[in-house]
Amino acid sequence: LAKTTQPISMDSYEGQEVNITCSHNNIATNDYITWYQQFPSQGPRFIIQGYKTKVTNEVASLFIPADRKSSTLSLPRVSLSDTAVYYCLVIPYNTDKLIFGTGTRLQVFP
Amino acid sequence: EAQVTQNPRYLITVTGKKLTVTCSQNMNHEYMSWYRQDPGLGLRQIYYSMNVEVTDKGDVPEGYKVSRKEKRNFPLILESPSPNQTSLYFCASSLKVGWEGLTYEQYFGPGTRLTVT
Repeated sequence: LAKTTQPISMDSYEGQEVNITCSHNNIATNDYITWYQQFPSQGPRFIIQGYKTKVTNEVASLFIPADRKSSTLSLPRVSLSDTAVYYCLVIPYNTDKLIFGTGTRLQVFP
Repeated sequence: EAQVTQNPRYLITVTGKKLTVTCSQNMNHEYMSWYRQDPGLGLRQIYYSMNVEVTDKGDVPEGYKVSRKEKRNFPLILESPSPNQTSLYFCASSLKVGWEGLTYEQYFGPGTRLTVT
């Protein structure tokens, strides 16, 4: 199972782009990468998933380099409402067991 | 509305008194899972179920039981709760986990805050 490592916390200001990087050095060939957002006292919410290169949706972009040992969640022009904890989760192809990391606490200031 | 529901949302109990936290999903998902969340430790998987009557241990299964008799329900059972099981619990479901090119989006319930005294 691919363990993930993320920064514990990050600070930003409204209107800035925020990039959160996750390290997953032992990712397997067919594993997928997903990201979740969690607000206090709520369940996590799925943001985006990807396998390689770049994926973009209405909320965020996900950049995955060729070696796939890391991934970067990019949030364009953050607002105060983006203050949350962000989790990177590698979906294994050969097991149904999932291991979340400890997440990155993003604080957005006005 | 597609959702995962958990009950109760809040529970205060005493050591040793058996309790069950229910989880139900209305999306016909095969995969369901229980997590606990503690400060500084992120989300840790307790048990998961790949389908009806198929369950397996996650990272922290000690002190917990689960059952999956129906596709939509996945209750979490604490036979003899202890104070170290005081935590925030989340149930989640998804279509499937595995490399099939499907969405791996997990839908999480609202959480159950359990306090064991």
